[in-house]
Amino acid sequence: DTGVSQDPRHKITKRGQNVTFRCDPISEHNRLYWYRQTLGQGPEFLTYFQNEAQLEKSRLLSDRFSAERPKGSFSTLEIQRTEQGDSAMYLCASPTVTDTQYFGPGTRLTVL
Amino acid sequence: EDQVTQSPEALRLQEGESSSLNCSYTVSGLRGLFWYRQDPGKGPEFLFTLYSAGEEKEKERLKATLTKKESFLHITAPKPEDSATYLCAVRGNTGKLIFGQGTTLQVKP
Repeated sequence: DTGVSQDPRHKITKRGQNVTFRCDPISEHNRLYWYRQTLGQGPEFLTYFQNEAQLEKSRLLSDRFSAERPKGSFSTLEIQRTEQGDSAMYLCASPTVTDTQYFGPGTRLTVL
Repeated sequence: EDQVTQSPEALRLQEGESSSLNCSYTVSGLRGLFWYRQDPGKGPEFLFTLYSAGEEKEKERLKATLTKKESFLHITAPKPEDSATYLCAVRGNTGKLIFGQGTTLQVKP
């Protein structure tokens, strides 16, 4: 157990529906990263927070994606109007002061 | 552009048969090369961080080494429980991790 939790672990939705995922990072870690991983590939960077500020977003993050980190604690990632191409594992990572990123268990999204 | 390539994509070994996984990288200003292990349906599990050429780290049957262009993960006398996907990532000046596609290792008893 890395101390990073994600909820839900699995989500099945129909195309066009909105979904929201939650990540709780290691306590008192002020940085938080989101990644997306498709089958047979390594994780790809989506976005990054330092405290409550979203400092960087990948071009992979279309207008249908939005992430927040209110109060600099947990973070949410919302996908609006889901498409089949959004099916993937969504991973959250909590870096230490030495920049070692510890990952949560991930949320597996399946869009039908 | 920062890039990581891992080889082979898949590797099958007999228990006890040692081998190496390769990670070739290009990055502007290396601020760490990371190895992770990932089991099916789970998040990546941190193994090692290497920061400079010549550095080596060991953990049980695994040993990671680093040169200016590549890293190797050596697996000595593997056991079936070492079966997993091994991911390599670099952290450059941008701060985020850039991952390779992984090497899926299967160790047969």
